[in-house]
Amino acid sequence: DTGVSQNPRHKITKRGQNVTFRCDPISEHNRLYWYRQTLGQGPEFLTYFQNEAQLEKSRLLSDRFSAERPKGSFSTLEIQRTEQGDSAMYLCASTPAGGTGELFFGEGSRLTVL
Amino acid sequence: GDSVTQMEGPVTLSEEAFLTINCTYTATGYPSLFWYVQYPGEGLQLLLKATKADDKGSNKGFEATYRKETTSFHLEKGSVQVSDSAVYFCALSTGGGNKLTFGTGTQLKVEL
Repeated sequence: DTGVSQNPRHKITKRGQNVTFRCDPISEHNRLYWYRQTLGQGPEFLTYFQNEAQLEKSRLLSDRFSAERPKGSFSTLEIQRTEQGDSAMYLCASTPAGGTGELFFGEGSRLTVL
Repeated sequence: GDSVTQMEGPVTLSEEAFLTINCTYTATGYPSLFWYVQYPGEGLQLLLKATKADDKGSNKGFEATYRKETTSFHLEKGSVQVSDSAVYFCALSTGGGNKLTFGTGTQLKVEL
């Protein structure tokens, strides 16, 4: 078990470009979560999946953000037409359904929009 | 909506000092409460949790008690070590989705 893996670890892009982050959860964890963390703040919930179904999306997730988990395994988070305000750490976490409530987090993908 | 308030940092202590990091919450229903820790260069990891009133979570010498009457879940440790230097996040979860609401985090620095 290698834990939750996120790629790339750091992405620098110019405003207006599209970026995509990938998350590989712990195998057999059927719940997967995306959070966003800005400097000096706690993580903020964006969305979560149970298997391939996206069950909840935060109002923070604007139309420029889309997340998928097509086969119920890895997930991608795409941000279109990036803005400087999108600069943040994007965290992925997973957990088994019906588990103890503990989320297992990856190390995050840092986005810098110039 | 649900929210978590925790004391601002950074908190700087000498090794072997007593630690308290305050955390209070607002939630609908009966939340589960958590403390997560983020060591430098690492991902968030669960430190301890409590799922109902008066439960005490404990791990690695850290403790926190779920106080429903004061809506609090303060983190304590009797004797901190340099290796405890990290950012500590209080969080709650309500409902069946295990979605967490986090506080802003408290940075702890422990010096020799």
